[in-house]
Amino acid sequence: DAKTTQPPSMDCAEGRAANLPCNHSTISGNEYVYWYRQIHSQGPQYIIHGLKNNETNEMASLIITEDRKSSTLILPHATLRDTAVYYCIVSSPYSGNTPLVFGKGTRLSVIA
Amino acid sequence: NAGVMQNPRHLVRRRGQEARLRCSPVKGHSHVYWYRQLPEEGLKFMVYLQKENIIDESGMPKERFSAEFPKEGPSILRIQQVVRGDSAAYFCASSPDRVLSYNEQFFGPGTRLTVL
Repeated sequence: DAKTTQPPSMDCAEGRAANLPCNHSTISGNEYVYWYRQIHSQGPQYIIHGLKNNETNEMASLIITEDRKSSTLILPHATLRDTAVYYCIVSSPYSGNTPLVFGKGTRLSVIA
Repeated sequence: NAGVMQNPRHLVRRRGQEARLRCSPVKGHSHVYWYRQLPEEGLKFMVYLQKENIIDESGMPKERFSAEFPKEGPSILRIQQVVRGDSAAYFCASSPDRVLSYNEQFFGPGTRLTVL
């Protein structure tokens, strides 16, 4: 079972920031937080990951709380193409390559 | 660089037939994962393979399903005697062989299996 909980759906106006929350209260010390998204009918796409520091790349920013029990994925200027299901996953890379455990994710609808 | 390739993209089978799904990982990747997505559901892990070895098949049904990743050629997910409940999207992912992989997996476009 997934170790994360996310709201089932969210709306965001085009051009505004989309803030997607994720709770992972049972995360262990060596587990990272990963975000993937799945645009309709396509394969999931990696977005970003982090351990405890905030991370930013060309796609998004990841804010992890100090106690690491929750995080927020931020899409700074959402576009219609960002409409997708967003999955928050916790996993330890120190176990080597391991399968991902997907929950139900958050369905983000970006509205014009 | 070519990403993960899967073929066929769409596959239609009648009940009782066999389905063979192929996955070519990103060049240089030696780890392959298969996931299944039933209609309106999330992705579920099926099997994890490294060249010529099955590492974890805990998510794969015990009967009718098998997977391989030979030394040469693509990974194959084989479903024998398909039933309507096998209708789903099957996604393959690959990752590189690094000590610290950060679990970044690269997914293919999927094969949509329809069983009539």
